Amino acid sequence: EAQVTQNPRYLITVTGKKLTVTCSQNMNHEYMSWYRQDPGLGLRQIYYSMNVEVTDKGDVPEGYKVSRKEKRNFPLILESPSPNQTSLYFCASSSRDRGGEQYFGPGTRLTVT
Amino acid sequence: AQSVTQPDIHITVSEGASLELRCNYSYGATPYLFWYVQSPGQGLQLLLKYFSGDTLVQGIKGFEAEFKRSQSSFNLRKPSVHWSDAAEYFCAVGAISSGSARQLTFGSGTQLTVLP
Repeated sequence: EAQVTQNPRYLITVTGKKLTVTCSQNMNHEYMSWYRQDPGLGLRQIYYSMNVEVTDKGDVPEGYKVSRKEKRNFPLILESPSPNQTSLYFCASSSRDRGGEQYFGPGTRLTVT
Repeated sequence: AQSVTQPDIHITVSEGASLELRCNYSYGATPYLFWYVQSPGQGLQLLLKYFSGDTLVQGIKGFEAEFKRSQSSFNLRKPSVHWSDAAEYFCAVGAISSGSARQLTFGSGTQLTVLP
């Protein structure tokens, strides 16, 4: 089954404790992205990647890092989480094809206290 | 920079009634337009998309949307709403430029409530 998976699905952590949210897709997609969803703001792109070792900032990159060492994986790293990073995070992937839609993972709900 | 406006934060309709969710976009070239639906606690599911061609696009679950370039709109419609359509709906505009990845800009969403 074609899918994007994220782990963990729920995470409660404390300020300053480094964490990683994993994202993996099995569709051999070139493009992968991370979004955060906040009430009233819709989804905002954090980082995206065009292919292995190629990443770039989205609209709200501050406080986040990413890496793309393998085509299927695109982890999101919070080196020193803060309460304003409490949010719902989505990973997405799409093919290079013109008509390629973005497939979204199930989401990770992060709470930083 | 592209942007999307969904002017209705919350819409309530009765089951069986027709539905129209509004979406206005701002983009300098021909846009790629999408409607996604998010059920409570779920991820986003693509309802339909527009890239070119026929301006009336059919999607899943009986939804359709019409691209109107002159009005910069891409409104979502359904002739008869079902209780299971209660969810949050997001309009998005996508851009692909040379050397860049596909970037989606989302609207803030419209929450749909369906009354029995």
